[in-house]
Amino acid sequence: AQSVTQLGSHVSVSEGALVLLRCNYSSSVPPYLFWYVQYPNQGLQLLLKYTTGATLVKGINGFEAEFKKSETSFHLTKPSAHMSDAAEYFCAVSDNAGNMLTFGGGTRLMVKP
Amino acid sequence: KAGVTQTPRYLIKTRGQQVTLSCSPISGHRSVSWYQQTPGQGLQFLFEYFSETQRNKGNFPGRFSGRQFSNSRSEMNVSTLELGDSALYLCASSFSGADEKLFFGSGTQLSVL
Repeated sequence: AQSVTQLGSHVSVSEGALVLLRCNYSSSVPPYLFWYVQYPNQGLQLLLKYTTGATLVKGINGFEAEFKKSETSFHLTKPSAHMSDAAEYFCAVSDNAGNMLTFGGGTRLMVKP
Repeated sequence: KAGVTQTPRYLIKTRGQQVTLSCSPISGHRSVSWYQQTPGQGLQFLFEYFSETQRNKGNFPGRFSGRQFSNSRSEMNVSTLELGDSALYLCASSFSGADEKLFFGSGTQLSVL
């Protein structure tokens, strides 16, 4: 069985500061890993994904994540937070058995001016 | 290109009733997945359909069912509604596989009174 743990249900940063959202996973097979963002009253939007190959993955809106197999982690970072980054972020894992994602509990990012 | 369309956007039902939710995927997408989102349980996978066949199923009771039509549109049905079924139901589509980008609709907010 797969599982995803996101440390910190709420993270607050100042505008311009580094954003770090943590994600650890467990999977019995090589995982596919994803980060999604959800803005209020909207569905989820894919930020980035890791399937195979390069372990540092760049996504949209300046976000990136690094797959660390030894640490079973896939943390999301952005060098400089913008007010528009305020949203809820979800880490997810799949074993490629179709589109069956297991999501973490989510982290709500707040950006202070 | 139109996105994933879910109807209705909001729905209010009473316990014991049944409900049908609809999802129209992006044109050309053959996979449709359904997820339930609640504050307590987070995002949970319900089922996935691909070319009119259920390919994966999550851990939900038999009251939750779905189907997919030849045009890839999908419906999910919940019978004998319970208070705990109140949730945002999200539909997502992709062309085929798990390593592809999932496109989510804005969801149907179901309230069970």
